[in-house]
Amino acid sequence: DTEVTQTPKHLVMGMTNKKSLKCEQHMGHRAMYWYKQKAKKPPELMFVYSYEKLSINESVPSRFSPECPNSSLLNLHLHALQPEDSALYLCASSTSVVQGTEAFFGQGTRLTVV
Amino acid sequence: EDQVTQSPEALRLQEGESSSLNCSYTVSGLRGLFWYRQDPGKGPEFLFTLYSAGEEKEKERLKATLTKKESFLHITAPKPEDSATYLCAVQAGLTGGGNKLTFGTGTQLKVEL
Repeated sequence: DTEVTQTPKHLVMGMTNKKSLKCEQHMGHRAMYWYKQKAKKPPELMFVYSYEKLSINESVPSRFSPECPNSSLLNLHLHALQPEDSALYLCASSTSVVQGTEAFFGQGTRLTVV
Repeated sequence: EDQVTQSPEALRLQEGESSSLNCSYTVSGLRGLFWYRQDPGKGPEFLFTLYSAGEEKEKERLKATLTKKESFLHITAPKPEDSATYLCAVQAGLTGGGNKLTFGTGTQLKVEL
């Protein structure tokens, strides 16, 4: 089983709303990631969690707040977003935080900010 | 800074017409090169990992190869269901306890009957 589950699949939110994206994996992976992908562009790394601790923040604005409650779950809390934040948000996980191991991606949450 | 360049940007093939996609990379300390397939509106689907020059991996109609500067994804006798965007990504060194993937911009493949 190489499944990473993201909810919701689609989300429309106003600029003053607060919402959360959720990601779950049951593969025993200890590294989890948030990527952002704009249309016709490659995914761009936002955050890395290693053993439930934030290890990389790619200078992401504070209106995006990640959280890793346990080894299987990853959340991305959204607040006061801008229309330019509309994108496909992808969660991924991998077994190792040291070796060059593959990351498995979820199907993404399509976010539209109005 | 790690750089990944994919070519061509778009490729149209007839069913059964074999071809290759290219991924050129510039990194310091390659830990892995990855190929993913992405369908519109979906997350990338893992295909292959390559670690060292000379390595090859195969899966159905796809074969990935690696040299010190580039990787090729060979598609043999493609079918319409192979139509997708193919992404190449590199992982270089250890960055703060996590594995960062740097992606190329992808090759959009369309296979027609």
